Amino acid sequence: AQSVTQLGSHVSVSEGALVLLRCNYSSSVPPYLFWYVQYPNQGLQLLLKYTTGATLVKGINGFEAEFKKSETSFHLTKPSAHMSDAAEYFCAVSDPDSWGKLQFGAGTQVVVTP
Amino acid sequence: GAVVSQHPSRVICKSGTSVKIECRSLDFQATTMFWYRQFPKQSLMLMATSNEGSKATYEQGVEKDKFLINHASLTLSTLTVTSAHPEDSSFYICSARESTPYQRNYGYTFGSGTRLTVV
Repeated sequence: AQSVTQLGSHVSVSEGALVLLRCNYSSSVPPYLFWYVQYPNQGLQLLLKYTTGATLVKGINGFEAEFKKSETSFHLTKPSAHMSDAAEYFCAVSDPDSWGKLQFGAGTQVVVTP
Repeated sequence: GAVVSQHPSRVICKSGTSVKIECRSLDFQATTMFWYRQFPKQSLMLMATSNEGSKATYEQGVEKDKFLINHASLTLSTLTVTSAHPEDSSFYICSARESTPYQRNYGYTFGSGTRLTVV
């Protein structure tokens, strides 16, 4: 069984400040990990994903995440927040061995203040 | 990149009627599609997994007779909400899985969602 925990349902950052969104997972096998962003009344857009290989993954819009197996974490960061980063962010995990469906975290709402 | 088209984006229907939502993979073949439901300010809840040419697999607690899923081709899956009631009002999102595990382009692409309001 898999599960995903996103620490903090709301995060407020100042424009230009570091964005850090936390994601921890539990999985019995090495998982595939994803971060998605959702703007109001829209679907989900993939920011980045980790499947295999390099544990530091770079995504779109300046985001990156690092897979840390020892900490079972996949935290998302962006060095400098932009107003357009205000959105809902979801961490998700899937089990490749079972061709599994995505298991989502509860989501983190990011607010960017001027 | 992979694109999934979902229609309609918004629909308002009367209680007791049925509504069909379409999900199309535009530039790839999707043997597996997923249907999610999202309540306001909540995460996505998987309703069912749709496999081309076979019956959908529903998650526990999801009424398969109310939420009919058809995946008749490699590029189209439909969700029909039958005899809709106000409590079925929600945001429905489809997703298509690209490729198979352990392949470089493995991933999931989401449609833009459908806002269903039952009055």
